Amino acid sequence: AQSVTQPDIHITVSEGASLELRCNYSYGATPYLFWYVQSPGQGLQLLLKYFSGDTLVQGIKGFEAEFKRSQSSFNLRKPSVHWSDAAEYFCAVGAKQAGTALIFGKGTTLSVSS
Amino acid sequence: GAVVSQHPSRVICKSGTSVKIECRSLDFQATTMFWYRQFPKQSLMLMATSNEGSKATYEQGVEKDKFLINHASLTLSTLTVTSAHPEDSSFYICSAREGGRGNTEAFFGQGTRLTVV
Repeated sequence: AQSVTQPDIHITVSEGASLELRCNYSYGATPYLFWYVQSPGQGLQLLLKYFSGDTLVQGIKGFEAEFKRSQSSFNLRKPSVHWSDAAEYFCAVGAKQAGTALIFGKGTTLSVSS
Repeated sequence: GAVVSQHPSRVICKSGTSVKIECRSLDFQATTMFWYRQFPKQSLMLMATSNEGSKATYEQGVEKDKFLINHASLTLSTLTVTSAHPEDSSFYICSAREGGRGNTEAFFGQGTRLTVV
């Protein structure tokens, strides 16, 4: 079955500390992987994506993610968290074909403490 | 990047009435659009895949007669919630992937907050 698992429902990080959000996937075809961020009551903003090539992907707002095929993981990282990073983060997987929908994980809520 | 516009952003309707939500791809053609539903504090659940010029494909458990989807053009898909009830209150998000190219990301609308009273 195709699925995305985000093991951490809620994470609290001190401002300025590093962050890692975990994502594991199960997908039958070559996975295209995404991380999205959602603020309360808002739509989704794409942070970064992995299609192929370099397994370390840089995104917006200082985020990066590393694709590890052997571990079926695509963890999101940020070296220094800002209070404005508090939001809901979703990992998603999809196929190459434009006609296929993305499958989302349940999300991780990030809280930032001062 | 490409833009997907969703309208309205918020709607309140009375129980028993119908509500139409529009999803437009503004600068690209989308032969396929997707409709998701998101409950508070939960993930996005795919409801249906909307195909231009043909019938939508619904996910298991989604009532096709309640959630009518029409994809009449390459830039517009609509979701109509018919005979809405309070349990239909939710956040609905549409998405489109730009067809005709290789590595395509999904673009999302800003969502529609539906409240049925």
